[in-house]
Amino acid sequence: GESVGLHLPTLSVQEGDNSIINCAYSNSASDYFIWYKQESGKGPQFIIDIRSNMDKRQGQRVTVLLNKTVKHLSLQIAATQPGDSAVYFCAENQGPPGRRALTFGSGTRLQVQP
Amino acid sequence: KAGVTQTPRYLIKTRGQQVTLSCSPISGHRSVSWYQQTPGQGLQFLFEYFSETQRNKGNFPGRFSGRQFSNSRSEMNVSTLELGDSALYLCASSFGQGGTEAFFGQGTRLTVV
Repeated sequence: GESVGLHLPTLSVQEGDNSIINCAYSNSASDYFIWYKQESGKGPQFIIDIRSNMDKRQGQRVTVLLNKTVKHLSLQIAATQPGDSAVYFCAENQGPPGRRALTFGSGTRLQVQP
Repeated sequence: KAGVTQTPRYLIKTRGQQVTLSCSPISGHRSVSWYQQTPGQGLQFLFEYFSETQRNKGNFPGRFSGRQFSNSRSEMNVSTLELGDSALYLCASSFGQGGTEAFFGQGTRLTVV
């Protein structure tokens, strides 16, 4: 299996339901965020990103919501499918200009029940 | 368009040895960042190379080093391997510096015995 946290929070949903994965970020100065999906044995896969001048962005079956007031990010997956089962990470881009890097959350495991 | 390619996929090394990992970024991308992923620490930033220069460095000992070539390919080296260096090493490629729109490779699984 993949190297992910052994005690990840897990979200279990039924196939066809909508999923909401939450993430609290640490730095109020962070201005760019990415959601990644990581399947067992694979590297993180870019899902969607959002800049801090937006509070919502939509992709195919996914929506990211950003609440800067409470430093909270969420990923909504519509009509969840078994192929969506994976670990999901949020990442924030932080650091002084010229030395910015992604800092990752600990991840949430999404289990989709058929 | 080819994605990020990391080689090798798997490595087994003995304590005290050194290892070199390779990353070829997406064509046109000039930034390569390296991350270590372990069950205990999650994904941690090692360093970023942009236009052949190290632009940023995470909190890892000097045993971890890297370089980037003129074609943007990057290598990462770990010397005097320790058991705790066993991890999945990931590289991420992006056009600009600093982690925006970063795409990851499949990783190199390093096991130190």
